[in-house]
Amino acid sequence: EAGVTQSPTHLIKTRGQQVTLRCSPISGHTSVYWYQQALGLGLQFLLWYDEGEERNRGNFPPRFSGRQFPNYSSELNVNALELEDSALYLCASSGLGQKRKPQHFGDGTRLSIL
Amino acid sequence: QQQVKQSPQSLIVQKGGISIINCAYENTAFDYFPWYQQFPGKGPALLIAIRPDVSEKKEGRFTISFNKSAKQFSLHIMDSQPGDSATYFCAASIGNTDKLIFGTGTRLQVFP
Repeated sequence: EAGVTQSPTHLIKTRGQQVTLRCSPISGHTSVYWYQQALGLGLQFLLWYDEGEERNRGNFPPRFSGRQFPNYSSELNVNALELEDSALYLCASSGLGQKRKPQHFGDGTRLSIL
Repeated sequence: QQQVKQSPQSLIVQKGGISIINCAYENTAFDYFPWYQQFPGKGPALLIAIRPDVSEKKEGRFTISFNKSAKQFSLHIMDSQPGDSATYFCAASIGNTDKLIFGTGTRLQVFP
């Protein structure tokens, strides 16, 4: 069974640009989560999508946004990139109907802002 | 209130020894506590998880001990191996929010 897949693996952008990161969940999973892993800041929750709807949002500015498609894949969009957006962006997925939802992570997209 | 405090920041253990990583929390609404293992260049991989109605859970060489009254939980790695060298994260979540609050991570190095 394929795990969570993310693309691209690496990305280099400059300040002010926009970026779109993509995530495909494990087959059968309906929830997708996005986390930011920045140096010195650890893993921070960004967004949670379930059944196409945004269910929860972390403490990030509105220029971080995303969506979930009918096939449950997801995109994370970041506008007006800033230097501090340099980080590993991780996507996780979990299944439907489990009382406790273990989240399974992909290997992330490494975003570097110059 | 939403924090999970993890210690130590780094840990060096000899092969065959026991590695112990501790986490503490304040928010009693947390009801799910997973541990993740992360190798360089990879995403975190779920190791083991526990709910607060259980005091201990064991999977192979990995054991979570949970102390609800002290609001602490810990990961024990028995018979530590060089292949266990990685960064370990504890986390906690509240069921209806589903977001994971992570500890700051522990870099474990196991020497032969």
